Amino acid sequence: EAQVTQNPRYLITVTGKKLTVTCSQNMNHEYMSWYRQDPGLGLRQIYYSMNVEVTDKGDVPEGYKVSRKEKRNFPLILESPSPNQTSLYFCASSFRGTSGRELGEQYFGPGTRLTVT
Amino acid sequence: EDQVTQSPEALRLQEGESSSLNCSYTVSGLRGLFWYRQDPGKGPEFLFTLYSAGEEKEKERLKATLTKKESFLHITAPKPEDSATYLCAVQKTSGSRLTFGEGTQLTVNP
Repeated sequence: EAQVTQNPRYLITVTGKKLTVTCSQNMNHEYMSWYRQDPGLGLRQIYYSMNVEVTDKGDVPEGYKVSRKEKRNFPLILESPSPNQTSLYFCASSFRGTSGRELGEQYFGPGTRLTVT
Repeated sequence: EDQVTQSPEALRLQEGESSSLNCSYTVSGLRGLFWYRQDPGKGPEFLFTLYSAGEEKEKERLKATLTKKESFLHITAPKPEDSATYLCAVQKTSGSRLTFGEGTQLTVNP
């Protein structure tokens, strides 16, 4: 079954304790992305990756890191989480279009609800 | 500044009562406009991609259209199972970022 998986699904942590949220896709997609969703602010892109070893900032990258060492995996790292990073996080993946720039339909993971106290 | 604005924020319809959702955008060059559906507690689910003004796409009771400044998602004879939040997103020609609107929460009453 084609899918994007995220782990953990729920996480409660304390300020400053480093954490990693994993994301994996089994569709051989080139493009992967992380979003956060907050009430009243909608979905905002954190980082995206066009392919292995190629990552770029989205609209809200501060406080986050990513890496893309393998095509299927795109972990999100919070080196020193703060309460303002409490949010619902989604990973997504898609193919790139024939020109290499268009995005195909994105498949989203089930979400990770993070609470930082 | 790039902006994507969806209206209305919330919409209540009776089953069978057709309506439209709006997504207006201001970006410096549009590469693609996407519509997604999101059910509570789940990730968004892809509906349509539109690339150029005048383009239309249909899927069951949904039809998406695109002009140079906005997109409409028309819902014909909706059913309760169409209740969800509908999101639109734009990709600019200058990059691979996606900017989402805040969504329209649709409720269809039986």
